[in-house]
Formats: sequence, structure tokens, C-alpha cells
Amino acid sequence: SQQGEEDPQALSIQEGENATMNCSYKTSINNLQWYRQNSGRGLVHLILIRSNEREKHSGRLRVTLDTSKKSSSLLITASRAADTASYFCAPSDGTASKLTFGTGTRLQVTL
Amino acid sequence: EPEVTQTPSHQVTQMGQEVILRCVPISNHLYFYWYRQILGQKVEFLVSFYNNEISEKSEIFDDQFSVERPDGSNFTLKIRSTKLEDSAMYFCASSGQFQETQYFGPGTRLLVL
Repeated sequence: SQQGEEDPQALSIQEGENATMNCSYKTSINNLQWYRQNSGRGLVHLILIRSNEREKHSGRLRVTLDTSKKSSSLLITASRAADTASYFCAPSDGTASKLTFGTGTRLQVTL
Repeated sequence: EPEVTQTPSHQVTQMGQEVILRCVPISNHLYFYWYRQILGQKVEFLVSFYNNEISEKSEIFDDQFSVERPDGSNFTLKIRSTKLEDSAMYFCASSGQFQETQYFGPGTRLLVL
């Protein structure tokens, strides 16, 4: 597997605003997954997008994938204080492949 | 909703001691993983396990580490002789057949003194 690089490293927004974070990777993938980690806690799977998909939605989350640019973005709409966490992308070769995590985007949502 | 569980949540041990970290993966899952995260650093892959054998392991997973699925529900990580640098959060994960998503447990925080 390969590591995704998240950008920006840190993002601070106010509650109700949208948050966009980006992920770039180097070689072709089967799918790309986004995870969230609250401070000192486990990783929570948010959404998976396959290489033949361009956009996917789940609740307030919208993920896009551009395989030609080898990049993905995660949009969180109408952010809440509870969205404060680190967000990681994990490009994957497919089933049972190890995941390689980058340093993530630290999102801070303030009231 | 099914979830991965891990015990203990915290473990403090003396350098040189053996520790066993336990995980109960989601019941119908077939693929199992251990990752670790040293404080302030990235989550790192340690090992994957399928069909009662190791599928892949990282450079970190040296002879001091071993994994086992002793029964139909538990998946364990053993560190034979702990070192100070083994202090980290250890995460277990599992995934099902034809399922790319890995579901992570809450982690065990290991402190080696």
C-alpha cells in the first residue's frame, strides 16, 4: 500500500462552516478510505470511495476522487464542535491490504 | 452495530516483561491487523493475519512480537521482552471477506517503564 499525504496539516473553522481537506497519493489504487481519530482514541472509518467512483456522499460528508490527479478531497458540511479530530486518508490496493497513514489534517471546530 | 474490542485499555509494565494485548474482532471477519501509534506520531502497520497465518508484517514486527488467534474469537499480540520504545497505543483492526474497510478497536495504551 502507499501513504496518502493530507493537506492542510491543520485547519481551524467555526461551527457551521464547511471544512475541506485534501489527500494526494502517488500510484494507482483500488480504493481510498477516510478515517477520523479523536485525540488519543481509535480510528473511525468514515467513507470509502472506489477507483471507478468520482464522488460519494455520507450524511454531511462528501468525498471526491480524481484518479488522473491522484487526489481526493473530503468535505464536511455544517461542521460541529464534535467534528474536531484528525482526519486521515488511506489509499488502498484492495481487500486485506495494509493501510499506511500519513500525518493527517487536524481539524479544530470552534463555537 | 458490531465493533472491535480491545483489552486492557491501559497497561503499564516493566522493561523486559512480556505483555499480551487482546482483541476481539468483529465476529464474521476473516482478516486481522495490528497497528501502533507512538505518541505524537503516525499510525504504523505492524502485521496482518489471515487463515491462521501472518500475511504481511512490517520491519517493526521483529522476533519480539508474535500474534495468535487462540480460539474463534480472540486475536492477540504478544511482546516477549518489552523495551521502552514499545510504549505506544496499539490498535487492532479487522475486515471481512471482500471487504476493503478495516474497522479499528479503541486501542490499548502500553507504557513501558
